[in-house]
Amino acid sequence: KAGVTQTPRYLIKTRGQQVTLSCSPISGHRSVSWYQQTPGQGLQFLFEYFSETQRNKGNFPGRFSGRQFSNSRSEMNVSTLELGDSALYLCASRDGSSPLHFGNGTRLTVT
Amino acid sequence: AQSVTQLDSHVSVSEGTPVLLRCNYSSSYSPSLFWYVQHPNKGLQLLLKYTSAATLVKGINGFEAEFKKSETSFHLTKPSAHMSDAAEYFCVVRDGATNKLIFGTGTLLAVQP
Repeated sequence: KAGVTQTPRYLIKTRGQQVTLSCSPISGHRSVSWYQQTPGQGLQFLFEYFSETQRNKGNFPGRFSGRQFSNSRSEMNVSTLELGDSALYLCASRDGSSPLHFGNGTRLTVT
Repeated sequence: AQSVTQLDSHVSVSEGTPVLLRCNYSSSYSPSLFWYVQHPNKGLQLLLKYTSAATLVKGINGFEAEFKKSETSFHLTKPSAHMSDAAEYFCVVRDGATNKLIFGTGTLLAVQP
């Protein structure tokens, strides 16, 4: 089985722009979660989607949004980028209550 | 509220010596606990999980962890470190109420030749 695939791997954007990150979960996994990882804050939960519905949400501003499609693929969008949004964004999928399986992440740099 | 505390931010060992990475948890429920490893510029990989079966849990790459309820601990160990074990390790608890995963701050393991 292919693992969790995140695209792109690296991204450089300018302040004020918006960005869309993509995640393809493991086949058969219906739950997709997103995390932000920074050296200062560690791993922080963004949101979780299940069957196209947001099931859980972390404490991030409304500039961070996501969605899930009928094939379980997910996207997250960050609008009006700030320097502090520079981070590794990790996507993870799971089946039921199984442990999370993570992708290799998208490294976003905001200049 | 559930939480995890990783007691060491950095641990350095010599190749071939034992590894001990410490984790304490706080939980109102019977917890589900996990250890994940992250190599540079990679995602997190599951090492092992505890879900109220055996208290000694064996994982991949020779790692194991022991759940000690009396000490609220879930320390990760390995008898003999290998250079390839150098990575960051995260202790994680699942919040039983929300099903969210709560990550520790990570322990960076260095392995000296």
